[in-house]
Amino acid sequence: QKEVEQNSGPLSVPEGAIASLNCTYSDRGSQSFFWYRQYSGKSPELIMFIYSNGDKEDGRFTAQLNKASQYVSLLIRDSQPSDSATYLCACGQGAAGNKLTFGGGTRVLVKP
Amino acid sequence: GAVVSQHPSRVICKSGTSVKIECRSLDFQATTMFWYRQFPKQSLMLMATSNEGSKATYEQGVEKDKFLINHASLTLSTLTVTSAHPEDSSFYICSARGGGQGQETQYFGPGTRLLVL
Repeated sequence: QKEVEQNSGPLSVPEGAIASLNCTYSDRGSQSFFWYRQYSGKSPELIMFIYSNGDKEDGRFTAQLNKASQYVSLLIRDSQPSDSATYLCACGQGAAGNKLTFGGGTRVLVKP
Repeated sequence: GAVVSQHPSRVICKSGTSVKIECRSLDFQATTMFWYRQFPKQSLMLMATSNEGSKATYEQGVEKDKFLINHASLTLSTLTVTSAHPEDSSFYICSARGGGQGQETQYFGPGTRLLVL
């Protein structure tokens, strides 16, 4: 069974600090990785995706992928109270038609 | 780009009635759409995957006769909850995926909150 694991949190971060979120996956066939943000009562919104080992930066967000360790992370720099949300990690197998496997999400609280 | 809409955003119905939820991709053609359900403080649960013009693929434990899915075009999928009961009350969210680079990326609709009395 394909599994994606995340610490449920809450991860409490002071405003302006770096929030570090981790995600591990069990399926070695996973080729694509996604981070979504979900505010309470709302649907998920895409933050970024990453396919290759290494880092990928987009604004204050950096995704890091290590396929050998089956590990993907998300860093949020200069955390703001508006970043308080649940962050979902998702993995796919890189072929059209395949569904994504979602983790349970990490709740992040950014305190002013 | 990549905007997905859902209608209605909220519905309250009596037990035993059927409810139809529409999911539309507004600015791209969605070869595949997904339907999720989310209970309070729980993670997303995939219910089914639908491809335009073919039958939906349901996840284990999801009753296909209760949750009817029709993906009639590349921009529209509908989920009908038949004979709804209070335990069907939940947040139903669709997502859509198109072609091109990042084709696995799923874009979510805003969700439909269903309350069955």
